[in-house]
Amino acid sequence: GDSVTQMEGPVTLSEEAFLTINCTYTATGYPSLFWYVQYPGEGLQLLLKATKADDKGSNKGFEATYRKETTSFHLEKGSVQVSDSAVYFCALSDNNAGNMLTFGGGTRLMVKP
Amino acid sequence: DTEVTQTPKHLVMGMTNKKSLKCEQHMGHRAMYWYKQKAKKPPELMFVYSYEKLSINESVPSRFSPECPNSSLLNLHLHALQPEDSALYLCASSRGTGPGANVLTFGAGSRLTVL
Repeated sequence: GDSVTQMEGPVTLSEEAFLTINCTYTATGYPSLFWYVQYPGEGLQLLLKATKADDKGSNKGFEATYRKETTSFHLEKGSVQVSDSAVYFCALSDNNAGNMLTFGGGTRLMVKP
Repeated sequence: DTEVTQTPKHLVMGMTNKKSLKCEQHMGHRAMYWYKQKAKKPPELMFVYSYEKLSINESVPSRFSPECPNSSLLNLHLHALQPEDSALYLCASSRGTGPGANVLTFGAGSRLTVL
């Protein structure tokens, strides 16, 4: 079945540091890939998405590129802020399997001033 | 209006109580979802409604009973819950369930505590 694997957290960075959160997936067919963010006490918000190989999703300074050859969708940001502290979920939607989301385990990011 | 609104934000109930969680969206979305999220875990899918019909039930115990009165509303009726059912319950909606239409918009959640 489909699965998503994320690096375990927490990831602790100083403000303005470079961020990478690794995400790899296993899926049949050609999935769409997503990053969702969950701030403390809130629901999930879509951060960015990519629907086909080599697509780059970007939003609020975050980027991720759909790499079919390495089955990866790593999240990056060049300069993190304290306000980026949250839990980040990588997810896929397999277009051949009813399009339900499969989530990774989540990675907590803590950014210190 | 680009929001999914969930009420109540917090609910404490005993194991013999009957309560309901409510979810509302006015984005014209035709698919609505209930997820359960335990602490430090990803959301787990419970139910999917597509065009007001239940399309997916992920083997959820019958003490959870979903209802979709119309295309904008989704309820989750709770009865005889157990303490292990304490969690954050998230509602979400999407334009549909087909390719390209399944980007989910989540509500802020209802935090349920069962005593």
